[in-house]
Amino acid sequence: EAGVTQFPSHSVIEKGQTVTLRCDPISGHDNLYWYRRVMGKEIKFLLHFVKESKQDESGMPNNRFLAERTGGTYSTLKVQPAELEDSGVYFCASSQNSPDTQYFGPGTRLTVL
Amino acid sequence: KNEVEQSPQNLTAQEGEFITINCSYSVGISALHWLQQHPGGGIVSLFMLSSGKKKHGRLIATINIQEKHSSLHITASHPRDSAVYICAVRGNDMRFGAGTRLTVKP
Repeated sequence: EAGVTQFPSHSVIEKGQTVTLRCDPISGHDNLYWYRRVMGKEIKFLLHFVKESKQDESGMPNNRFLAERTGGTYSTLKVQPAELEDSGVYFCASSQNSPDTQYFGPGTRLTVL
Repeated sequence: KNEVEQSPQNLTAQEGEFITINCSYSVGISALHWLQQHPGGGIVSLFMLSSGKKKHGRLIATINIQEKHSSLHITASHPRDSAVYICAVRGNDMRFGAGTRLTVKP
């Protein structure tokens, strides 16, 4: 069974540009989570999807971040326009039920120059 | 102050030693997770527990809900256990500890 996959693994962009991160959860997992780890700090929760609905988006830092999960399968996280402080590693995780063991993707390392 | 505190921050052990990593939290939770992050960056979920104790191979996780404290134990540690171990609690959302960097020397 394939695990959670994320694309790209690494993205380097300039301040002001747009970047879209993608997460493919484990097939059949209704719950999808986005997290990020900024350099030197602990991982922070961003948001939680149940199927295509946003269950909790309290962790989204500001309106430059837009997450979607059309069709309840894969999810995208768009940052527009990117700022320097957005640099970090963005993790996606999925689970069958909530709460349940979450399976993490390998992360996308975003560098904003 | 982080709502999830881990100790120690860094830990170096000799192969074969018994290791304990602690996690204390200050919020109400429905579950606590122990995660392992390898040097390559990938995160693996080790345990999810809401009470008592769980064991998987050489790993044991315990939680005391009344004291808001959990421990992760590694018996007969091995260099391949070297990683960052992260405690995460699920309340209204997931809150993460800063992690404990474990290095096991041969």
